[in-house]
Amino acid sequence: EAGVAQSPRYKIIEKRQSVAFWCNPISGHATLYWYQQILGQGPKLLIQFQNNGVVDDSQLPKDRFSAERLKGVDSTLKIQPAKLEDSAVYLCASSLVGGLNSPLHFGNGTRLTVT
Amino acid sequence: DQQVKQNSPSLSVQEGRISILNCDYTNSMFDYFLWYKKYPAEGPTFLISISSIKDKNEDGRFTVFLNKSAKHLSLHIVPSQPGDSAVYFCAASGAAGNKLTFGGGTRVLVKP
Repeated sequence: EAGVAQSPRYKIIEKRQSVAFWCNPISGHATLYWYQQILGQGPKLLIQFQNNGVVDDSQLPKDRFSAERLKGVDSTLKIQPAKLEDSAVYLCASSLVGGLNSPLHFGNGTRLTVT
Repeated sequence: DQQVKQNSPSLSVQEGRISILNCDYTNSMFDYFLWYKKYPAEGPTFLISISSIKDKNEDGRFTVFLNKSAKHLSLHIVPSQPGDSAVYFCAASGAAGNKLTFGGGTRVLVKP
């Protein structure tokens, strides 16, 4: 089966600019996640979708971050305006269902550098 | 507030020997635990998991042990192989769903 696809792989922007990341989950996976991984730390959940509805966005900085999952398939994560501390790898993951015993499958991530 | 901690940032082991990775958690509501492995420039991949109703789960060379009273789990890799060189993340989830809380990771280097 094809894995989780993310693009772009790398992005360099200046602070206060905007940026968007795209994710295509594994076919048939209802649940989609965006994680932020800062260098030297573990991934941190930003937002979780079940189909096209938001399940958890408690750790999403909503003043600058937004995400959508139209039609319950692809998803985009946007940052506007970016800050230096947003430099991180942004990982998209998907799972069959949003519950236990349904391991997350991660994409290769987008590495964002904010200068 | 780090709810999941991996106190050893790195580990070096000789090929063929045992690798032991440790993980501690503070949230008593966690009842499902997973280990993920990550190679450079790739996303984490699921390795092995354990439910809180068990104290051991084994899958080939990988065994996870859970000590609920100590809020501690460990991953044993026996025997270690050079291809096991990667960063290993411990993660935990509560019964409400699979929102995962990750530890900071342990970088393992297996020397030939």
